[in-house]
Amino acid sequence: GDSVTQMEGPVTLSEEAFLTINCTYTATGYPSLFWYVQYPGEGLQLLLKATKADDKGSNKGFEATYRKETTSFHLEKGSVQVSDSAVYFCALSDNYGQNFVFGPGTRLSVLP
Amino acid sequence: DSGVTQTPKHLITATGQRVTLRCSPRSGDLSVYWYQQSLDQGLQFLIQYYNGEERAKGNILERFSAQQFPDLHSELNLSSLELGDSALYFCASSDRTGPIGYTFGSGTRLTVV
Repeated sequence: GDSVTQMEGPVTLSEEAFLTINCTYTATGYPSLFWYVQYPGEGLQLLLKATKADDKGSNKGFEATYRKETTSFHLEKGSVQVSDSAVYFCALSDNYGQNFVFGPGTRLSVLP
Repeated sequence: DSGVTQTPKHLITATGQRVTLRCSPRSGDLSVYWYQQSLDQGLQFLIQYYNGEERAKGNILERFSAQQFPDLHSELNLSSLELGDSALYFCASSDRTGPIGYTFGSGTRLTVV
């Protein structure tokens, strides 16, 4: 079945450092890819998405590019802030936005 | 506010008891999904309902059940509770018209003592 693999956390960075969280997937067909973020004590929020190969999703300074050839959707941010401390989930769905599969999540801690 | 409302936010109950968690989806969304998030098992899909009908089942225990009502709100019933059922339970909704992703509620934290 479909699956999502994320880099193990926790990831600890200093403020203004560059962030990469790796995500790779296994899926039949052409899934849509997502990054969700969960801040402490809250539910998951959609951060960005990409629906086809070579699409780039971006939001709040975060970016991820749908790479079909490497089945990857790595999350990047050029300069992280303390407020970015959260758990980040990579996910995929079918083209109808259904049958979501979530990765295990990666906890990010940004130190001032 | 995401538009998905979950109640209660916190629940503490004893082993062996039964509880009901409630979810009101975002206006216009027909699909409701339930997830369990525990520290050691990440985000586990439990069950999906679409317009009142069960559509998909994940790792849902037989002690757990759910339903979606005509007004589209959903309830997750957890019975014969065990200490290991302590977790965050999330509801999400979607409109099934495209890959826009789910909208999650803020969750119910269940503590079984």
